[in-house]
Amino acid sequence: DQQVKQNSPSLSVQEGRISILNCDYTNSMFDYFLWYKKYPAEGPTFLISISSIKDKNEDGRFTVFLNKSAKHLSLHIVPSQPGDSAVYFCAASGNRGSTLGRLYFGRGTQLTVWP
Amino acid sequence: KAGVTQTPRYLIKTRGQQVTLSCSPISGHRSVSWYQQTPGQGLQFLFEYFSETQRNKGNFPGRFSGRQFSNSRSEMNVSTLELGDSALYLCASSLAGASEKLFFGSGTQLSVL
Repeated sequence: DQQVKQNSPSLSVQEGRISILNCDYTNSMFDYFLWYKKYPAEGPTFLISISSIKDKNEDGRFTVFLNKSAKHLSLHIVPSQPGDSAVYFCAASGNRGSTLGRLYFGRGTQLTVWP
Repeated sequence: KAGVTQTPRYLIKTRGQQVTLSCSPISGHRSVSWYQQTPGQGLQFLFEYFSETQRNKGNFPGRFSGRQFSNSRSEMNVSTLELGDSALYLCASSLAGASEKLFFGSGTQLSVL
């Protein structure tokens, strides 16, 4: 059962515009959320995270928004650049600090930024 | 600081064979997690090791196993390979555990013919 869902397999955006990637989760125990970026033939690299005590976190061009009541988070990239073209994975965890804690990943969204 | 290192980068095996993949975590990281990535399926959790003990396991058959050594290096073994085992196998390390920010290696691309 997929507890983290990324319903858009792909997104195409023009350079300079905003990219919005969406993620939904089903488990109300999740309290920590992360976004990873993955280029072909490389491992995922961490982008940005947010704890459930916040509803927004910014890091340069990247902002993550969390709507706990809707169990929804989104990643905004402004402005988008061609180098941002990659697969973006949303991940979530609960039980932080527990020996049973682990990250649950979505299936990813392929972002293409065209000039 | 060196990142997570996985070897080999590519492997080709035939059905029925077994394979061992290796992972060296970031220095000081005691938690090592393994994930399987197949097209359209995202990252599927295999297991996590911490201080040489398996702490958590995903929904994979017993053909998938692993271990961790005293220097935190980890190996993953798949026995009796099946065509469906073809995937990118990713290793990730972290300081505190598998539910924290993970640092991934570049993966081992396994092809089963």
